[in-house]
Amino acid sequence: AQTVTQSQPEMSVQEAETVTLSCTYDTSESDYYLFWYKQPPSRQMILVIRQEAYKQQNATENRFSVNFQKAAKSFSLKISDSQLGDAAMYFCAYRRNYGQNFVFGPGTRLSVLP
Amino acid sequence: GAGVSQSPRYKVTKRGQDVALRCDPISGHVSLYWYRQALGQGPEFLTYFNYEAQQDKSGLPNDRFSAERPEGSISTLTIQRTEQRDSAMYRCASSAGTGNSPLHFGNGTRLTVT
Repeated sequence: AQTVTQSQPEMSVQEAETVTLSCTYDTSESDYYLFWYKQPPSRQMILVIRQEAYKQQNATENRFSVNFQKAAKSFSLKISDSQLGDAAMYFCAYRRNYGQNFVFGPGTRLSVLP
Repeated sequence: GAGVSQSPRYKVTKRGQDVALRCDPISGHVSLYWYRQALGQGPEFLTYFNYEAQQDKSGLPNDRFSAERPEGSISTLTIQRTEQRDSAMYRCASSAGTGNSPLHFGNGTRLTVT
């Protein structure tokens, strides 16, 4: 079974600085998809960014970017110019293929210090 | 609809009672998922459907839990003879079902068993 690991239960970053959240996963598949979700105190689940495993180029969405290392099975999230509104739980998720289950990591709680 | 709708938002029930949680996915979304989330933890997979077919129910904790999606749209998660350990946030999510389609989450039903 696929597993997703987030080794940092908590992280903090100074406002306007850059922070990187780590995620590793275990799979024997070559075709899959990876996602980062944000869960603020309101407990909504908000998609931050996604990556297709067949794409070598790292995905970017404004201040958010990923470092996807397929061989290492690593999928880290970089947040640049951190803002107070970035404070949240961040979950990494893996999906094997069309119609398959999404597997979530345990999450990293990010605090942004003013 | 504009988003995934879950009802009720909050449910308090006494131990031993049955509860039914409803999910109305985004219109046209093929796949529907049920997750359970404890505070401070990642979503835990319960079951998912493609159209009306239940594809995977391996995450259902025991036979007191069941789910259906009879017409391929609205889904109901039923918990029979509730126990205190069933208390959690139950989240529904839907997806268009294509490769990199993300999950779109509802706001969840917070279940408290007293």
